[in-house]
Amino acid sequence: EDQVTQSPEALRLQEGESSSLNCSYTVSGLRGLFWYRQDPGKGPEFLFTLYSAGEEKEKERLKATLTKKESFLHITAPKPEDSATYLCAVSQAGAQKLVFGQGTRLTINP
Amino acid sequence: SAVISQKPSRDICQRGTSLTIQCQVDSQVTMMFWYRQQPGQSLTLIATANQGSEATYESGFVIDKFPISRPNLTFSTLTVSNMSPEDSSIYLCSIILVMGDTQYFGPGTRLTVL
Repeated sequence: EDQVTQSPEALRLQEGESSSLNCSYTVSGLRGLFWYRQDPGKGPEFLFTLYSAGEEKEKERLKATLTKKESFLHITAPKPEDSATYLCAVSQAGAQKLVFGQGTRLTINP
Repeated sequence: SAVISQKPSRDICQRGTSLTIQCQVDSQVTMMFWYRQQPGQSLTLIATANQGSEATYESGFVIDKFPISRPNLTFSTLTVSNMSPEDSSIYLCSIILVMGDTQYFGPGTRLTVL
């Protein structure tokens, strides 16, 4: 059964303090690994898709990387507006269904 | 991406009643899905809404409890039937655009059952 585990559950940083979020996954043939951001009371907002080990994608202060067993979301010099829950999800080859991790709740203090 | 709207945005309902949630997209999509997000939890797929045919349900979800319709490419409904307090959740629709590969989510419907 496909499984996604995110760590830490919660992370509190000072503004400008860089860090990384982890997403470990088990899937029978990875089609894609997806990162989303979710603000309170809103639906998840798409950030990145990674398809193969070694792939990296960047958007502003965020960079996502992928290995055969895990993905990292690196946050460089974060700002308070980066505070949100970050969700990782995987889909299996030949399927569109997403299996989500529990998320990491990130708080950036000014 | 596309503009995805859900109605209602929130509701408070009595146990034993039913609520129908609508999802409307401003672009043609290939696939539509319904997810549930229980308080403090992540998202769990309820079913894939198939145009013109019965939805495909995930393990643990049944049509009698969560009937789904998708009459055309841009619209779907999810009904939560015979509600109990355990059904209190956020219900989200998601879509995959034609020629796309990414799921985009609607704003969600926050349901509270008393």
